[in-house]
Amino acid sequence: DVQMTQSPSSLSASVGDRVTITCRASQSISSYLNWYQQKSGTAPKLLIETASRLQSGVPSRFSGSGSGTDFTLTISSLQPEDFATYYCQQTYSNSISFGQGTRLEIK
Amino acid sequence: QVQLVQSGAEVKKPGASVKVSCKASGYSFTGYYVHWVRQAPGQGLEWMGWINPNSGGTNYAQKFQGRVTMTRDTSISTAYMELTRLTSDDTAVYYCARGVGGNDYWGQGTLVTVSS
Repeated sequence: DVQMTQSPSSLSASVGDRVTITCRASQSISSYLNWYQQKSGTAPKLLIETASRLQSGVPSRFSGSGSGTDFTLTISSLQPEDFATYYCQQTYSNSISFGQGTRLEIK
Repeated sequence: QVQLVQSGAEVKKPGASVKVSCKASGYSFTGYYVHWVRQAPGQGLEWMGWINPNSGGTNYAQKFQGRVTMTRDTSISTAYMELTRLTSDDTAVYYCARGVGGNDYWGQGTLVTVSS
């Protein structure tokens, strides 16, 4: 199975900050990497598909990059509504897997 | 608009089974896989498997092989996930989600509580 490891597990930042979250796969997954945002008590929301394709309606301050084993999610200027937990997900393998999550908190 | 509406919360005893439904609307049900993902209290997301509503074909995570069954009824655009031999470790919110690549629409979640 492909293991997905996110770092950091938690992060404190301020409104306006630039934030980067990293996701590493245990083997190459090409660009089959998605990013989700989850707020407490709600279902996850798909932000980015296939490493860098922004979903319709997602603000352009979110961006994704990477291929192979190393991927990043960047938020260029944090807004109050961005404080949430973020998950990466690989869909390369028949056995899909998520990272453990990165909790983004207000400093 | 695309919607996935799940059945209501369940309380089950250890050893019992639970069957959660996921009714799709606003799109062609047979055109997209339905995935099931669960989230234990305070924990991360765990993928359980998918069903292809068109063919009925399934793909289960190894962890749930032998305990999970995913089915569908195309006449009412509904997918089902049944989990057997429940233990307290199965207490979680269970989500269905549409997807081919990423999961772009999700159900509201169904809380399954396993308690004696």
